[in-house]
Amino acid sequence: DAGITQSPRYKITETGRQVTLMCHQTWSHSYMFWYRQDLGHGLRLIYYSAAADITDKGEVPDGYVVSRSKTENFPLTLESATRSQTSVYFCASSPGTGVGGYTFGSGTRLTVV
Amino acid sequence: QQQVKQSPQSLIVQKGGISIINCAYENTAFDYFPWYQQFPGKGPALLIAIRPDVSEKKEGRFTISFNKSAKQFSLHIMDSQPGDSATYFCAASTNQFYFGTGTSLTVIP
Repeated sequence: DAGITQSPRYKITETGRQVTLMCHQTWSHSYMFWYRQDLGHGLRLIYYSAAADITDKGEVPDGYVVSRSKTENFPLTLESATRSQTSVYFCASSPGTGVGGYTFGSGTRLTVV
Repeated sequence: QQQVKQSPQSLIVQKGGISIINCAYENTAFDYFPWYQQFPGKGPALLIAIRPDVSEKKEGRFTISFNKSAKQFSLHIMDSQPGDSATYFCAASTNQFYFGTGTSLTVIP
């Protein structure tokens, strides 16, 4: 099916563990984004990518790592999870930046205990 | 620093009423202003958007009003329905999107 899919939908991990959130899109959109959503903060950009092998930091990149070896995949890794990284994470894609709309995935709810 | 300020944080409206959500920005370089609608357990979805050369855009029951001189824009939902109950985010963009903090709308039957 065409679209943008995130996995897993829910994840519980322990403090200090590494965890990877997956994002896959089937439109061949150039741009992909990772946001975290927290009450009172709205959506905050973690990292984005303009194309394969091109990534850049957003507003809140500390503690996160991304890679983009293929256009369709944009995994987000928490190298050593902390409780402050408990959040809902959304991946989004767009054919361009700043124009049109972003298409969001359904999100991953991550709990760090 | 919040690039886009959104209010109110929550809103309760009777069915058939008008829901109004407001956003303000400072960066005059912003050139695209979308609104997103998010239902529980789902990702945000583009609802309606406007560019600063237009003062109003209407799509069905949803209208964006844009005041360039005041650097404000708002979403009006006419004849609000229980199915409109969701969280609404405004955003502004240059080469990346900056989102407001969201408004939780509840429409009471």
